[in-house]
Amino acid sequence: GESVGLHLPTLSVQEGDNSIINCAYSNSASDYFIWYKQESGKGPQFIIDIRSNMDKRQGQRVTVLLNKTVKHLSLQIAATQPGDSAVYFCAENMNSGYSTLTFGKGTMLLVSP
Amino acid sequence: EADIYQTPRYLVIGTGKKITLECSQTMGHDKMYWYQQDPGMELHLIHYSYGVNSTEKGDLSSESTVSRIRTEHFPLTLESARPSHTSQYLCASQRQGSHEQYFGPGTRLTVT
Repeated sequence: GESVGLHLPTLSVQEGDNSIINCAYSNSASDYFIWYKQESGKGPQFIIDIRSNMDKRQGQRVTVLLNKTVKHLSLQIAATQPGDSAVYFCAENMNSGYSTLTFGKGTMLLVSP
Repeated sequence: EADIYQTPRYLVIGTGKKITLECSQTMGHDKMYWYQQDPGMELHLIHYSYGVNSTEKGDLSSESTVSRIRTEHFPLTLESARPSHTSQYLCASQRQGSHEQYFGPGTRLTVT
C-alpha cells in the first residue's frame, strides 16, 4: 500500500549546525503533513504541519518544505541544539474526510556538543 | 503542555490475562486515537473515536477493543493478552478543526 518513509535512519550533527531530515511520501492526494519529535520514553510532540497547497512553512527554528513534484518533505532545524536530539517522524493525512495520520519510519537525530 | 494521561506507564502481565489501558484527557477534545509502536519503529493506528459512542478500527489489525462513553476517557482493552501484544501503546487526542494530535506518555506493555 501507499506509505510514508524516511531516507536516513540516523543523522549526526554538531551543535550549532543546521539539520535537514527528509521524508518521501507516495500518496499524492494527502491533504496535509506533520512533523513530530519523539524523545526517549515520551510520546510524540507536534513540531509543525503543512497543507498540501503550500510549499514552505516556517516555525521557530524549523522550516518544513514540501515538494509535490517529487513527493518529498523535509524538516530543517536551524542552529541545532543538544535538546533537539530525538527521533523525528513525518506523518500524512491520506484521507481528507478524516483526521487520521499515517506515520513514516523515524529518523534519529543525534546532536553532539 | 497537553493534558493527556495514560496509566499504567509500564505493565508486565502473563499470557491470557485481560487488561485495560487507560487514557484520559482534560482538554475536551472530541477526537481520540490509539497507536501501537514497537521500539524504534513508526506508529500504527489501531483505533480512533470522533466522539462519545463513536469508535472505529484503524489501519493495523488489532485484537483489542475500545469504548468511548465519556468525552475525556478512551480505554483500550485486551481480552486475552499474548506475547505478540508486547509493544508500546500511545493515546492521542485532537481538537476539532486542528491538525495537531496531542500524545500521552504511552504504556509499555510486556506479555510473558
